[in-house]
Amino acid sequence: AQSVTQLGSHVSVSEGALVLLRCNYSSSVPPYLFWYVQYPNQGLQLLLKYTTGATLVKGINGFEAEFKKSETSFHLTKPSAHMSDAAEYFCAVSSALGSRLTFGEGTQLTVNP
Amino acid sequence: KAGVTQTPRYLIKTRGQQVTLSCSPISGHRSVSWYQQTPGQGLQFLFEYFSETQRNKGNFPGRFSGRQFSNSRSEMNVSTLELGDSALYLCASSLPNTKDRPQGSGANVLTFGAGSRLTVL
Repeated sequence: AQSVTQLGSHVSVSEGALVLLRCNYSSSVPPYLFWYVQYPNQGLQLLLKYTTGATLVKGINGFEAEFKKSETSFHLTKPSAHMSDAAEYFCAVSSALGSRLTFGEGTQLTVNP
Repeated sequence: KAGVTQTPRYLIKTRGQQVTLSCSPISGHRSVSWYQQTPGQGLQFLFEYFSETQRNKGNFPGRFSGRQFSNSRSEMNVSTLELGDSALYLCASSLPNTKDRPQGSGANVLTFGAGSRLTVL
């Protein structure tokens, strides 16, 4: 069984500040890890993914995440927040054998001017 | 390249009715998955189809069903609607993960549609 825990259902940052969204996972097999973003009244858009290889993964819009196996974490960061980053962010895990995703509860990011 | 298309985008039904939602995957994608998103339960996996066969099913009652057609388009149906079925239903398509597809190829990457928002009154 797999599970994902996102620490903090709401995160608020100032424009230009560091964004850090936390994600811890549990998986009995080597995980595939994902971050998705959802804007109001829209579906999920893939930000970045970790499959194999380099543990620091760069995604779209300046986001990146680091896979830390020893800490079972896959935290999402962005050096400087922009107003357009305000959205809900979901961390997800899947096994190598199928495409079923297990999502975390989501983190609502607010960016203050 | 067209994305995943879901219809209808919004619909309102009353308790006891049934509803059918449609999903057209990205051209060339043969795997389609469905997810339910609610404020209380978050994003939950409903089912996955590949080559017209259900490959995986989440923990939902039998009122929730789906199918996939030979052109990879998929539909899901919810019968005897309950208030708790009000949700955003998301469809996602992907290239299927197979033994021939190398690890790390991104085969497990799902591309989501904009969703169908169902309100049950």
